[in-house]
Amino acid sequence: EAGVVQSPRYKIIEKKQPVAFWCNPISGHNTLYWYLQNLGQGPELLIRYENEEAVDDSQLPKDRFSAERLKGVDSTLKIQPAELGDSAVYLCASSLRRGTNTGELFFGEGSRLTVL
Amino acid sequence: AQSVTQLGSHVSVSEGALVLLRCNYSSSVPPYLFWYVQYPNQGLQLLLKYTSAATLVKGINGFEAEFKKSETSFHLTKPSAHMSDAAEYFCAVSGGSSSRAQKLVFGQGTRLTINP
Repeated sequence: EAGVVQSPRYKIIEKKQPVAFWCNPISGHNTLYWYLQNLGQGPELLIRYENEEAVDDSQLPKDRFSAERLKGVDSTLKIQPAELGDSAVYLCASSLRRGTNTGELFFGEGSRLTVL
Repeated sequence: AQSVTQLGSHVSVSEGALVLLRCNYSSSVPPYLFWYVQYPNQGLQLLLKYTSAATLVKGINGFEAEFKKSETSFHLTKPSAHMSDAAEYFCAVSGGSSSRAQKLVFGQGTRLTINP
């Protein structure tokens, strides 16, 4: 079974440029998460989707970050414009439908962003 | 709300020695607890999880952890360290089956170094 797929793995951009990250979750996983991982720190939740609905986006900086999950499968996370402090790894994870799982999240390999 | 504190950002042990990585949690509801491992430039991989069954949980690669409610701890151990265990380890907590939210909250991580 294929795991969570993310692209691109690495991205280097100039500040003020836009950037987008894509995630394809494990088939059948209704819940999708985007986490931010700064160097030397644990992941922090940006947004959580249940199917197409963003049910927790309280930590998403909405002035420059946006996300969507059309058709409840793939998801895109966008930053526009990027700032130097956005340099980090953006992790996507998925899990089974709430109420049927034990809370385990399955992670992709991450997208490492460097803003110059 | 849930939180996790990992004691020690860096732990160094000799090959063959006992590995002990400490994790204390805070949760307003019965928690689910997890240990994830992250190798360089990779995503997070589940080592083991506690979901209110046996308090001593065995995971992959010879790791185990014991849930101690009285101490609000979930320390990770391995009897004999191997060079391949060198990685970053994250403890995480979620609200468990009684929680509407499946938000996984991570600790800051502990970098494990194995000395030959």
